[in-house]
Order: sequence, then C-alpha cells, then structure tokens
Amino acid sequence: EAGVAQSPRYKIIEKRQSVAFWCNPISGHATLYWYQQILGQGPKLLIQFQNNGVVDDSQLPKDRFSAERLKGVDSTLKIQPAKLEDSAVYLCASSHPDSSYNEQFFGPGTRLTVL
Amino acid sequence: KQEVTQIPAALSVPEGENLVLNCSFTDSAIYNLQWFRQDPGKGLTSLLLIQSSQREQTSGRLNASLDKSSGRSTLYIAASQPGDSATYLCAVGNSGNTPLVFGKGTRLSVIA
Repeated sequence: EAGVAQSPRYKIIEKRQSVAFWCNPISGHATLYWYQQILGQGPKLLIQFQNNGVVDDSQLPKDRFSAERLKGVDSTLKIQPAKLEDSAVYLCASSHPDSSYNEQFFGPGTRLTVL
Repeated sequence: KQEVTQIPAALSVPEGENLVLNCSFTDSAIYNLQWFRQDPGKGLTSLLLIQSSQREQTSGRLNASLDKSSGRSTLYIAASQPGDSATYLCAVGNSGNTPLVFGKGTRLSVIA
C-alpha cells in the first residue's frame, strides 16, 4: 500500500512570507497528525485530526499557523507570516483509529528554511 | 506531562558490535511505545511497536524491550552494520489514537 505523501519536500522562504504544506495520508486512515521537528529535537505535535475534525490543536501557534482537512482525507498546513524559528521539518503522520496498536506511519517530511 | 529521554545522544561503534540504545519515560501509564529510525533529511521509519501489555518485540537484528514499571525501554541491535547508521527515536503513546511524545533521539554511527 502507498505510504503517507507530503509535498513539497523542501521550501526556502524569507521571514514574513507565507508557505503551505500538503499531506495525503494512507488510504483509510482517519487520524492525521502534523508534527514539527526542529533540528536536534524529537518531533512535537502541532495538530491532530480525526476525519475532518480537530482533536487537539493545543500546541498550534494559532496566530500564524493554520491547518485544515476539509474532506477528511488530504490536509494542508499553512504558516503566515513565517518567522526564523519556524525553520524545521514538518512531518505528517496517519493512523487507523480502529487499530488496536495505534501505530503511526510518517511521511518523508517537508524541510522549511526561513531566511 | 509525559517526558521521554534518550541516552546516549550520540554513539559511535565499530562494525559488528552489539549495542543498546536506552529510552526512559516519566509516566508509566502508557498505551504503547514505538522505536523509529530517521535517516538524514528523511522521514521516520517505524522499526518496532510494543504494546503496554508486552515485554518485547523482535524484528531481524532488532529487539526492543519494555519495562513499564520502571519507565524504561531498550533497543538492542545485534551485529551492527554501517547501514544501521541513523538517528533512532523512541516515542510513547499515552492512550489509543493519541499523539506520540518523542525523545530527542540517539545518533548512531557504525564505522566499517
């Protein structure tokens, strides 16, 4: 089966610009996560969706970050305006909510550099 | 609040050695624990998942153990190879269908 897809793989922008990332989860996976991984750190949750509803966005900087999953499949994460500290890898993961293991599968990530 | 710590932060070993990576967590009431591998510039590849009711899981040269009561997990890699060079991340799920809490990882270099 196809894995989690993300695009773009790399993005370089200047501070105060806007950027958007796209994620397509594994088919049938209703739960989708966006994580932020700063260099040298482990990934940290930004937002969790169950179908097209938000389950947890407590760690999302809502003054500049937004995310949506309109049809319960693909998701978009946006940053506007970007700051230098937003430079990181943005990882999308999905899981099947009925799985007794709750195993999460990750995409290749989008590496964002803010200059 | 769950916190995950991985020791050591970096490790360099000669090819063929057996090695152990350590992971500890502060809240023992976990649902599961996953070990991931991350190559430079790449995403995370799931290596092993241990349910809270299990003690260990094995896949090829990898063996992961879990001691919930002490808040510890270890990843054992047998007969290490240069291709094992990567960052290994430990992550804990506190309940079903919830986000993972990650450690900072152990960066492993296996020297030929």
